[in-house]
Amino acid sequence: GAVVSQHPSRVICKSGTSVKIECRSLDFQATTMFWYRQFPKQSLMLMATSNEGSKATYEQGVEKDKFLINHASLTLSTLTVTSAHPEDSSFYICSAGGTGHSPLHFGNGTRLTVT
Amino acid sequence: DAKTTQPPSMDCAEGRAANLPCNHSTISGNEYVYWYRQIHSQGPQYIIHGLKNNETNEMASLIITEDRKSSTLILPHATLRDTAVYYCIVRVENQGGKLIFGQGTELSVKP
Repeated sequence: GAVVSQHPSRVICKSGTSVKIECRSLDFQATTMFWYRQFPKQSLMLMATSNEGSKATYEQGVEKDKFLINHASLTLSTLTVTSAHPEDSSFYICSAGGTGHSPLHFGNGTRLTVT
Repeated sequence: DAKTTQPPSMDCAEGRAANLPCNHSTISGNEYVYWYRQIHSQGPQYIIHGLKNNETNEMASLIITEDRKSSTLILPHATLRDTAVYYCIVRVENQGGKLIFGQGTELSVKP
């Protein structure tokens, strides 16, 4: 079945630094990928839609200059959390696939801790 | 906003069927219902999806009412490893295929 890989699975960084998270589709091409964030005891919140070869589409309230998304190839999208602060600490999850009515598949998430 | 409502939590005895309900009264004609589950600290796992006919796969069955305003996910023989948060999602046709998650149902399978 379709596999989506995320890297790293965990990262700890200092406040003010930037962190890049990678999302890869391993056995299929994905023109669209989605980035979610999840805080403890809460549901997944969609942050943005990553479009291969064009700008990402951000959900209302998500700062595009803080969460930089690059989707330079059909198998890789990256999310960079710039100038991270402790309140950015969260579980970040990507998904891909789902052309037509086929299901989206999710990565295993990245636990970001900003100290 | 999510187009579904689910009970926040349910318990099920190990070995018994788990029936998880979902209401989606504003669903539109071509919108599919998807079910995912999330085990703690992992990404969501796809379970099943359907439009209007009942569906079955190796993981579960999906029963959709004739008016499509509600559905039920059935895990026929729940095991302890089925303990997870289960999300019922209506995928909106004109929004690029994205999935908007509601709060889900936290299913606890007990021995």
